[in-house]
Amino acid sequence: ETGVTQTPRHLVMGMTNKKSLKCEQHLGHNAMYWYKQSAKKPLELMFVYSLEERVENNSVPSRFSPECPNSSHLFLHLHTLQPEDSALYLCASSQVPGGGTGNTIYFGEGSWLTVV
Amino acid sequence: GQNIDQPTEMTATEGAIVQINCTYQTSGFNGLFWYQQHAGEAPTFLSYNVLDGLEEKGRFSSFLSRSKGYSYLLLKELQMKDSASYLCAVMDSNYQLIWGAGTKLIIKP
Repeated sequence: ETGVTQTPRHLVMGMTNKKSLKCEQHLGHNAMYWYKQSAKKPLELMFVYSLEERVENNSVPSRFSPECPNSSHLFLHLHTLQPEDSALYLCASSQVPGGGTGNTIYFGEGSWLTVV
Repeated sequence: GQNIDQPTEMTATEGAIVQINCTYQTSGFNGLFWYQQHAGEAPTFLSYNVLDGLEEKGRFSSFLSRSKGYSYLLLKELQMKDSASYLCAVMDSNYQLIWGAGTKLIIKP
């Protein structure tokens, strides 16, 4: 139990499908993140939300659309993805978005996405 | 540009000691993190260093030299369950985390 839960754990979708990844944090944190993890590459920060407000969007294609309805929930809406988008998508949370030393980020177990 | 370097893969023997190095070049420095990630699982926090020196936590220790842009994670009395990827990340002057690609550690009996 990491305090950050993600569903689904595995998702296979066609390039024309629309699907969503869900994340929930039970840690009382104020910041939530979406990361992309591809094999043998560094974690790529996609989006950062602080108190439900998006504070960062790292040049992510518009086929990825985040939504943060409250400070405990985060979604990543997916549509018309490409095969190269296949990766592990990690949700994470922290007390504040950066902004201080020792601000540990806690990760969910990730959603394995395969685009066919 | 900002860069984190760590070896792609290392192999060690059960019961032995292994040192995983991380070198970094970032815009400013606000701390260095080590995370452990078992295959198919979430990265989990191991250690945080912001001052030079060694931080010990059970079988795991982490060292930092800010002047050299260098850190290492030392794992003692290796166990099979230590087989995992170890991620190094540096928080830059904008409090953004810059991640290394991770070191896959393979433990052999």
